[in-house]
Amino acid sequence: AQKVTQAQTEISVVEKEDVTLDCVYETRDTTYYLFWYKQPPSGELVFLIRRNSFDEQNEISGRYSWNFQKSTSSFNFTITASQVVDSAVYFCALSTPSASGGGADGLTFGKGTHLIIQP
Amino acid sequence: EAQVTQNPRYLITVTGKKLTVTCSQNMNHEYMSWYRQDPGLGLRQIYYSMNVEVTDKGDVPEGYKVSRKEKRNFPLILESPSPNQTSLYFCASSLDNSYNEQFFGPGTRLTVL
Repeated sequence: AQKVTQAQTEISVVEKEDVTLDCVYETRDTTYYLFWYKQPPSGELVFLIRRNSFDEQNEISGRYSWNFQKSTSSFNFTITASQVVDSAVYFCALSTPSASGGGADGLTFGKGTHLIIQP
Repeated sequence: EAQVTQNPRYLITVTGKKLTVTCSQNMNHEYMSWYRQDPGLGLRQIYYSMNVEVTDKGDVPEGYKVSRKEKRNFPLILESPSPNQTSLYFCASSLDNSYNEQFFGPGTRLTVL
């Protein structure tokens, strides 16, 4: 069975600090996809990134970067020079092949990390 | 505008009174899914559908029903709601399965008294 662990329940930093959100996943499948979603105080879920299990290249998008390491089953997310607008709950999620063989059937989410950026 | 819509956005009801939360997407997606979000538990999948007339259980299906008669709609039905179904519900859709980016609806906050 697959599992996603976000050990940091809440992180609070001062604006302009860098912050890393940890994500550790468990799966026996060799093909899988990892995701990060952002849930701001308004409540909607915003897609940030998707990464497949065969692509271990790190990704950078503006102030956001992701570090995918299969050796440690981790997919960590770093925000550089954090801003108040980054305050949100961040979810890491995993998609694996369906047990019935019918294709990937859903996301397994971590419990989320509540990030607070103080001005 | 490409979107997933849910109705109602907020609902307060009483135990045992049947209700339906509607979900509709305008992106011609084959895959649709329902999740519930509870404090400290993250999001958990209730049901999903790979295509019209094809539905299957997720991780927490007890007390829920779904149907997929049309590609765009995927209603969530609570035949006899109970207080433990008080939650925030999200509908999502993606191109063909959950390997692809899922687009989420705005959420429905349900309170069962």
